[in-house]
Amino acid sequence: SQQGEEDPQALSIQEGENATMNCSYKTSINNLQWYRQNSGRGLVHLILIRSNEREKHSGRLRVTLDTSKKSSSLLITASRAADTASYFCATVSFLAGGTSYGKLTFGQGTILTVHP
Amino acid sequence: DVKVTQSSRYLVKRTGEKVFLECVQDMDHENMFWYRQDPGLGLRLIYFSYDVKMKEKGDIPEGYSVSREKKERFSLILESASTNQTSMYLCASSLSIYNEQFFGPGTRLTVL
Repeated sequence: SQQGEEDPQALSIQEGENATMNCSYKTSINNLQWYRQNSGRGLVHLILIRSNEREKHSGRLRVTLDTSKKSSSLLITASRAADTASYFCATVSFLAGGTSYGKLTFGQGTILTVHP
Repeated sequence: DVKVTQSSRYLVKRTGEKVFLECVQDMDHENMFWYRQDPGLGLRLIYFSYDVKMKEKGDIPEGYSVSREKKERFSLILESASTNQTSMYLCASSLSIYNEQFFGPGTRLTVL
């Protein structure tokens, strides 16, 4: 089963509004990453938050991480039509024995549509 | 900027053909990955490599093999393509296991 589960599956908003996407995961993580994918293209890395961090900002993006609840959220402020894309969270977990090979486990993604 | 390139954007092959998908990165990254992406199933890791000539199976290695003879190049091989291997294939690379991954544009493979 997927480690990361995004919520909602789809989000439709007007330009200028804020968009919030949530991600839950099941096992202990080293870090959590958010990616964007425009239709039919490769993924673009947005932001990485480590397990000892609680909040991180990058431009109009704000990511929070709550390891006690095993959840993260991505906030896009003042959205633009160009933000229309699928957004994925991905976690890097530890394997048994404390080692990790950096395997990213992706959720199903949230499809964000921003209407002009 | 890191650049990851894939040999083809679109590929159409026949069942039973041997298929090579190539990926090249230009930032001297140690780690390289092959994923496939399918609707409703998300991205799933096929194989990865953390060094030249080293490879590890991911979640769905069956029907695939890989080759990494040079640090910058990671090839995915479908020994005998089948229709259930029709998918979007994404290659990625990363500097270390704890860093972000940089993805190529993807290859949409159709097996008829």
